[in-house]
Amino acid sequence: DAGITQSPRHKVTETGTPVTLRCHQTENHRYMYWYRQDPGHGLRLIHYSYGVKDTDKGEVSDGYSVSRSKTEDFLLTLESATSSQTSVYFCAISGYTLRDLYFGPGTRLTVT
Amino acid sequence: ELKVEQNPLFLSMQEGKNYTIYCNYSTTSDRLYWYRQDPGKSLESLFVLLSNGAVKQEGRLMASLDTKARLSTLHITAAVHDLSATYFCAVANTGNQFYFGTGTSLTVIP
Repeated sequence: DAGITQSPRHKVTETGTPVTLRCHQTENHRYMYWYRQDPGHGLRLIHYSYGVKDTDKGEVSDGYSVSRSKTEDFLLTLESATSSQTSVYFCAISGYTLRDLYFGPGTRLTVT
Repeated sequence: ELKVEQNPLFLSMQEGKNYTIYCNYSTTSDRLYWYRQDPGKSLESLFVLLSNGAVKQEGRLMASLDTKARLSTLHITAAVHDLSATYFCAVANTGNQFYFGTGTSLTVIP
């Protein structure tokens, strides 16, 4: 199994509060991704990174920001959480050859 | 933006039967991935297809890729209960972004 961890694994927060999710990898992979999974929508890309300090938006980036100051860590921040951001968030990584995409265990976020 | 469509969305099949899940995508790509997800779990990689005509098989599952038709299939042979899960296909674009279909929820009935 690829060495990917996510923290926290579960979180309940109130509307309007900032939230940061962390993805940590031990594979030294270049590419890192944040997805959200919602029923009926599959997985949708929020943001991704192609190197330290190099990030770009995905298809559902509004209300989210990311940072990558080290190869191994990719942070997802919800600036001011809303109920529509209740979801399961997955981090994924891929190496230079992009031959595969490996997923972390996921974070279940509930915004009340 | 790359669009990925899977069908069917829901599939209920009897043990021992064969069936195919289809994955269509909207723009040129030669990288197609299949994943399995069990309830409450993360996604597990099943197949990586990296060229036109690629075919891969693992147990009762076989995946193929036709890049000209922008179509991949996941064929299930003689289904067993353990194959019950949600299956996703994903396509990578030239910008190295991976786009997913909405998934096919498979239930195998004894």
